[in-house]
Amino acid sequence: DAGVIQSPRHEVTEMGQEVTLRCKPISGHNSLFWYRQTMMRGLELLIYFNNNVPIDDSGMPEDRFSAKMPNASFSTLKIQPSEPRDSAVYFCASSTDRDLGNTIYFGEGSWLTVV
Amino acid sequence: QKEVEQNSGPLSVPEGAIASLNCTYSDRGSQSFFWYRQYSGKSPELIMFIYSNGDKEDGRFTAQLNKASQYVSLLIRDSQPSDSATYLCAVYTGGFKTIFGAGTRLFVKA
Repeated sequence: DAGVIQSPRHEVTEMGQEVTLRCKPISGHNSLFWYRQTMMRGLELLIYFNNNVPIDDSGMPEDRFSAKMPNASFSTLKIQPSEPRDSAVYFCASSTDRDLGNTIYFGEGSWLTVV
Repeated sequence: QKEVEQNSGPLSVPEGAIASLNCTYSDRGSQSFFWYRQYSGKSPELIMFIYSNGDKEDGRFTAQLNKASQYVSLLIRDSQPSDSATYLCAVYTGGFKTIFGAGTRLFVKA
């Protein structure tokens, strides 16, 4: 079974440009999470969805960040305009509440560098 | 107070020794507890989870949970150089939300 699929794997962009990160959760999973990881702040939960509905976006750092989940198999995280301090690894993850403990499974991450 | 706290390390142990990794959490209503391993440049991968007080063993790994003390630990027996990684403690607090600690870096010296 395919895991969580993220794209792009790596992106280098200039400050001020729009960045869109994409995620396909594991088939059958009904919760989807966007995390950001940096050396300074560790793994931060940005936003999560359940059954395609955003549940908590309190971790989204600024209005420049937005996330959508138009259907059960696709989500996007958008940064507009991007800034150098947004440089980080962005992980998408998914889980199912049919799984004891709600175990989270991660994608391979999108490595973003804003110059 | 951070919701999930771990010693950042690095923790250095010789090959063959027992590595002990610790984690505390603040939400008494937390339901499930996880240990993930993350190699440099890779994504976190699940090692094991525990949700009942006591010990849970899986191969060389043992997770220990004490809900009264709000404490979770991971023991790695017969540590190998390939165990060198960052270990993340994660806590499911309910409402679909899982919070991660900052991780402990482990070095196993050959």
